[in-house]
Amino acid sequence: AQRVTQPEKLLSVFKGAPVELKCNYSYSGSPELFWYVQYSRQRLQLLLRHISRESIKGFTADLNKGETSFHLKKPFAQEEDSAMYYCALSGGYNKLIFGAGTRLAVHP
Amino acid sequence: DVKVTQSSRYLVKRTGEKVFLECVQDMDHENMFWYRQDPGLGLRLIYFSYDVKMKEKGDIPEGYSVSREKKERFSLILESASTNQTSMYLCASRARDRTYEQYFGPGTRLTVT
Repeated sequence: AQRVTQPEKLLSVFKGAPVELKCNYSYSGSPELFWYVQYSRQRLQLLLRHISRESIKGFTADLNKGETSFHLKKPFAQEEDSAMYYCALSGGYNKLIFGAGTRLAVHP
Repeated sequence: DVKVTQSSRYLVKRTGEKVFLECVQDMDHENMFWYRQDPGLGLRLIYFSYDVKMKEKGDIPEGYSVSREKKERFSLILESASTNQTSMYLCASRARDRTYEQYFGPGTRLTVT
């Protein structure tokens, strides 16, 4: 079965601390994985995708096929990073499968 | 700038009412989607459409139907609203050749009393 698991509902850190938002997936084929972000009172938007291997707003994510993981990382959290983060898997034509989401709270 | 709009930000309906949620996109996208967003459950796909008058069931279609008569508009219909359909509803669209990026609307928070 295709599934995305985000084990943490809430991740609370202080400004300047490293951040790692966990994402594990279950998919039989070759997956495409993404991170979407929703800031307070804003719409959900794409943050990054594994194919591009880019850093967006200081965030990176590496696909680890052996561990079936796609964790989102940032070395130094900022208050403006506080948001809801969703990991998503492209489950074939047309469909995105989302995890339950992790709320990141960055405290001053 | 990419734009997906939804007809209402907040909606309160009574049990048994027929409810229409409208979504419009101005990007000429072929694919459109309806999700519901619930705490602890993330986003779950209700229905999607890959062309005008075409629709496919998502993961939780029960109690919902959709309509796509024009390319830019995708409607979600609750035939007889129930309290367990109280949720945030998100519409999204995507170009056919861009499989990864879906553009989301602001959402409609529906409360069924």
